[in-house]
Amino acid sequence: SQTIHQWPATLVQPVGSPLSLECTVEGTSNPNLYWYRQAAGRGLQLLFYSVGIGQISSEVPQNLSASRPQDRQFILSSKKLLLSDSGFYLCAWSAGHAYEQYFGPGTRLTVT
Amino acid sequence: KNEVEQSPQNLTAQEGEFITINCSYSVGISALHWLQQHPGGGIVSLFMLSSGKKKHGRLIATINIQEKHSSLHITASHPRDSAVYICAANNTGNQFYFGTGTSLTVIP
Repeated sequence: SQTIHQWPATLVQPVGSPLSLECTVEGTSNPNLYWYRQAAGRGLQLLFYSVGIGQISSEVPQNLSASRPQDRQFILSSKKLLLSDSGFYLCAWSAGHAYEQYFGPGTRLTVT
Repeated sequence: KNEVEQSPQNLTAQEGEFITINCSYSVGISALHWLQQHPGGGIVSLFMLSSGKKKHGRLIATINIQEKHSSLHITASHPRDSAVYICAANNTGNQFYFGTGTSLTVIP
């Protein structure tokens, strides 16, 4: 069966510090991978998606970047965090476009 | 105006009641998703549909493509159904548009 992992579960970082969140998927090959953010009191927002290694599409301009160094690994990064980067970050995978999505447990990031 | 509108924003029901959450969208879609987010933050996909109706246990999702409208129904609601329910439209370009969610509380 397929499993999706995210870490860390919670993170408190000062403004201006770097960020690296990792997401890995087990039990499937060549998944579509997604990074979402949910700011406090707001809805989900798609940040990035990837249909293959090294292929990243960005949905919104921002202070973040994503990379997919391996088929089942998706990394969300920032060189310098802003207060507005605080939120709940979720990774998800699907078998392809317009397939059901499966979400990881999420990382709650607080930038202080 | 948001591409996906949900109603109501908040809903309180007595255990056993029949519940309906509505979703209207303005974009062309390849699929419509219903998600459930529990208080801890975890999200589970309930349904993905592009036409007609799907049923899973006490949950039913319907979609009317011509009217660009979908509904999520919960029969015989239970306190464990308390969660935020999110509608998401997936267009043909792999973009997702999310509703702001419906917060459901089912009282015993």
